[in-house]
Amino acid sequence: DGGITQSPKYLFRKEGQNVTLSCEQNLNHDAMYWYRQDPGQGLRLIYYSQIVNDFQKGDIAEGYSVSREKKESFPLTVTSAQKNPTAFYLCASSIQRAGTGELFFGEGSRLTVL
Amino acid sequence: QQQVKQSPQSLIVQKGGISIINCAYENTAFDYFPWYQQFPGKGPALLIAIRPDVSEKKEGRFTISFNKSAKQFSLHIMDSQPGDSATYFCAASKGNNDMRFGAGTRLTVKP
Repeated sequence: DGGITQSPKYLFRKEGQNVTLSCEQNLNHDAMYWYRQDPGQGLRLIYYSQIVNDFQKGDIAEGYSVSREKKESFPLTVTSAQKNPTAFYLCASSIQRAGTGELFFGEGSRLTVL
Repeated sequence: QQQVKQSPQSLIVQKGGISIINCAYENTAFDYFPWYQQFPGKGPALLIAIRPDVSEKKEGRFTISFNKSAKQFSLHIMDSQPGDSATYFCAASKGNNDMRFGAGTRLTVKP
């Protein structure tokens, strides 16, 4: 049963703490992405990776960091430098060379800063 | 910079009615226009997509209409059902790395 698994589904953090959101895919996709979703703002790209050990900043990368040590995994760290981290975070993947453009999304992680 | 503008923000339709959501884009280099459907607490899922070489694409009750000259495209949901109640996002891209999403439309279909 192929797909994208995000964990945890809900996460609470105190101000000043870093947190890491997990994203694992077994679709054998080359490209992986992190989006942030806020009410009324659609999805905004944080980081993306086209290949292992390489990643690029998206539109709102400040206060976030990622790694891509394995093809299957693309964890996102929300650092204390992110001024407004409370949001719904979505991980996605795609077949980079297929040209269809389809993104496959996980079920998301909701982060709340207390 | 919002490159894809979506309207309306919310929409209420009676069961059996037609739901229409509109999007406009700015970048003429975009060549892929998908619509995603998202249920509460879930990730979006691809519903239907179109490329600019056709003006319309239909899949079941869902139709995309595309107007290249006006840089607009819309989603029509025929015979809307309560199970269609969800948030719908239009998007546009050239290559996967540059997919731009609209702000979303929350559709409620009343029984």
